[in-house]
Amino acid sequence: AQKITQTQPGMFVQEKEAVTLDCTYDTSDPSYGLFWYKQPSSGEMIFLIYQGSYDQQNATEGRYSLNFQKARKSANLVISASQLGDSAMYFCAMREGGGGGADGLTFGKGTHLIIQP
Amino acid sequence: GAVVSQHPSRVICKSGTSVKIECRSLDFQATTMFWYRQFPKQSLMLMATSNEGSKATYEQGVEKDKFLINHASLTLSTLTVTSAHPEDSSFYICSARDAGTSGGYEQYFGPGTRLTVT
Repeated sequence: AQKITQTQPGMFVQEKEAVTLDCTYDTSDPSYGLFWYKQPSSGEMIFLIYQGSYDQQNATEGRYSLNFQKARKSANLVISASQLGDSAMYFCAMREGGGGGADGLTFGKGTHLIIQP
Repeated sequence: GAVVSQHPSRVICKSGTSVKIECRSLDFQATTMFWYRQFPKQSLMLMATSNEGSKATYEQGVEKDKFLINHASLTLSTLTVTSAHPEDSSFYICSARDAGTSGGYEQYFGPGTRLTVT
């Protein structure tokens, strides 16, 4: 079974609209971290937002917020007031374990977001 | 923020040759570095975890004799693709973990190296 599932291969959104990118995850570890990264065509991985499994509140970073629904194992990324520069691939990722160890990230397949003027 | 560099950014080599990719943490010490591979239009796949001063831990299906990893110092890890073949052509990305931080900022990604084997 996939550990990270992103069901939207591609999305077209009008500029200035809000957009939600879906991510569900699967783990039996009570301690884990969830990440969202943006990858423009240049290839660099740009960290957007992080949510720890024990965090009580949903994470927010500027125009980015993470809708964390633990019981549903869902960690959707919400981008408010989308901009043309938001066009990119977006990856959801998970680290299992408390982070004190040396655990790499497991990535979803990504969503290609295109913002239209 | 912390910076991770990779060198080279692009490399083209002939089949059968070896290629070395460097990953450096520029302003922090990285006890752990990770190597990922990304094929075109696909996701990142973790290849191996390297810890300073010890042998790397490889993910299932990754040939350790083909992808040699050395983490000789707290700021440098190298990935050597030995006897490269066209199917090794990919985008290789490293990340470095700052042991002094936690949460989402714990891993910093390099800009990636695009390897093309002809």
